[in-house]
Amino acid sequence: QVQLQESGPGLVKPSETLSLTCTVSGGSISYYYWSWIRQPPGKGLEYIGYIYDSGSTNYDPSLKSRVTISVDTSKSQFSLRLSSVTAADTAVYYCARLNFYYGSGSYYLAFDYWGQGTLVTVSS
Amino acid sequence: QSVLTQPPSVSAAPGQKVTISCSGSNSNIGKNYVSWYQQLPGTAPKLLIYDNNKRPSGIPDRFSGSKSGTSATLGITGLQTGDEADYYCGTWDSSLSAVFGGGTKLTVL
Repeated sequence: QVQLQESGPGLVKPSETLSLTCTVSGGSISYYYWSWIRQPPGKGLEYIGYIYDSGSTNYDPSLKSRVTISVDTSKSQFSLRLSSVTAADTAVYYCARLNFYYGSGSYYLAFDYWGQGTLVTVSS
Repeated sequence: QSVLTQPPSVSAAPGQKVTISCSGSNSNIGKNYVSWYQQLPGTAPKLLIYDNNKRPSGIPDRFSGSKSGTSATLGITGLQTGDEADYYCGTWDSSLSAVFGGGTKLTVL
C-alpha cells in the first residue's frame, strides 16, 4: 500500500518561502506523477502542480511564478517550495500520487493516494 | 471561484439516493475524464471515481459516476450516515492545469 507523508514547518513568515517535503513509502516513486494540492481553511481543493520522476513539471498558472516542485528519487521524496508567501497561502497542504495520461484526444487524471495533509500558517 | 461548478450542499435521508452535479466547459469536462473525491471531516480526500465511472478497489458499488457533454454526476445510493462528507469533482483543463469543483457538502438527514 502506497503511503505519503508530508513534513515541514507549520509556520512561515510573510514574504518568506514555504518548503515542504513528501516521503513516499510502500511503492516506487518511479514512473508516476507526484502532486501538491492545498486547501485553505473552510474552502475547497486547489491544485498547485505536479512532477514526473524524470523531473518534468507542471504548475497552476496562478502560482507558476512562485512555485518550484522537485524530486529526489534516491530518497523517494518530492518537495514543494512556494516563495513570497502571504496570509492567502495559509492552507492544509497535501501531497498526492497522480495517475495522469493522454490518449485518444483526452486527458485522464486521478489523484489516487494522498498524504494526511499538513497545516501551514503564514503569519508574523 | 472554481472552474468546475458544484452545488454547495445536498441532503437526503438514510437509505435514499442522492446525485451531485459538476458542471464545466468544453475546455475541461467536455474533453477530458472526470474523477470524484470524498473528504470525510478532518481527513484527506479519497478517490471515489476515476475515468468518469470507474471505482477503485474497495469502493462500494453504491457510488457511481457518469458524464454527459460538459457535465458530470456522482450518484450515491443506499445513503448511510457515514457518507456525510464533502465531495469534489476534478479534471484536466486546457489551461494546462488540473481543476476541481468547489465541493458539495452531503448531509444525511
